[in-house]
Parts: sequence; structure tokens; C-alpha cells
Amino acid sequence: DAMVIQNPRYQVTQFGKPVTLSCSQTLNHNVMYWYQQKSSQAPKLLFHYYDKDFNNEADTPDNFQSRRPNTSFCFLDIRSPGLGDTAMYLCATSRVPITDTQYFGPGTRLTVL
Amino acid sequence: EDQVTQSPEALRLQEGESSSLNCSYTVSGLRGLFWYRQDPGKGPEFLFTLYSAGEEKEKERLKATLTKKESFLHITAPKPEDSATYLCAVLSPSGGYQKVTFGTGTKLQVIP
Repeated sequence: DAMVIQNPRYQVTQFGKPVTLSCSQTLNHNVMYWYQQKSSQAPKLLFHYYDKDFNNEADTPDNFQSRRPNTSFCFLDIRSPGLGDTAMYLCATSRVPITDTQYFGPGTRLTVL
Repeated sequence: EDQVTQSPEALRLQEGESSSLNCSYTVSGLRGLFWYRQDPGKGPEFLFTLYSAGEEKEKERLKATLTKKESFLHITAPKPEDSATYLCAVLSPSGGYQKVTFGTGTKLQVIP
């Protein structure tokens, strides 16, 4: 089945220690998104890639970076995680940006100690 | 600023007890509205997209409707497996582009 895969599913890191989260997709979609979802809150879009074009949301902290080496993979790098970055990180894909249905992965639950 | 409000925050139903979830929005120029289901510890799963007032879509026990100010997700004769958080998201124009704004969801619990 075509799908969106995220690794790891759970990640614990220490305050200030860089961490990288991974997302891969077999849907061959052009767009990949990263969302942050804190407990009982709405998913918040951090950024998205349309092919190789990177689109950052205005309020996404500089601490969050992303890489998309090819169509199938996208990475979220948190350079110096703070306690407030503890959250579920969701990857999603779609055929075209924003207007199209988004298909989500299972998420990575990140805990910063 | 665009706002999406879902109510109630939580809803507890007996199996078979039909009800509706509400998603009200304040956006400048709605382009579409999405409904997603999210199970604990998982990513949202797409349910419906609605584009214009008066539109309705159905899937099994779920029916989504849209007006100019709100959307309803009607659940008919729910089963325990319908227990989940239901999220709505609105699509609206933003500085020449478009953006999606999610609500915080309604947590539904269906009791056998």
C-alpha cells in the first residue's frame, strides 16, 4: 500500500542536543509538509516543500530546518531543541500544495528533557 | 486573522446515539473545508473535502455538511470504533497563496 512513513515513532533527546526526524513516502506526491502538534492542540504547519522549492511559514522558529534530498524523503532538523519543542511531529504529502487532500504519516512523538 | 473553532471539545455518546460535531470558521474567502479523523498517537486520516455552501458528503455513518459560516459532521448510530478526535481544517487565501488552518478538534468517545 502507498503510504507515508515516519521514523522514529518515538524520540527522546536532551535540551540543546540536535535531533533529526525522517519522513518517506511511496505516493510519489510533489509536496511534503511538516506539522507540529502539541497535546490537545491543532496541528501547526512549520513548512512545506513543493518539489525542491522550500516554503517556510512566517512564524516557524529558525531552530527548525528541513531537507528534501529527493522526491521520497524529507527530514526535519531541530538544531537546539528546547523543552517547548516537546510535541508530535507530523509529516504529510499531497499532489499539489495546500489545496489538495493531505495524507499524513503516523507521527514522531518527540520528548525534550 | 482566520479562526477555526470546533465544538464541543469532547463528546461522550452511547452506542447508537446519533449526534453532530460543529466546526465554525471566520476566514476571508473560504476555498475549502477538510474533515480528518485522528486516533490517539496517530496522524490524521482524511475523511471529506467540502468546497461550497450546501455541499454534503457521506461515508458510512458520517455525513459532512457546509454552510457559509460552519460545517457539521453528523454521526448516525455511532459504534465504539468511531471513537477518535475529529479535526476540521479550512483552506483560505493568504498573501497570494493559500493556507490551511486546523481547529483543535472534538474528542468523541462512543460507549458500548
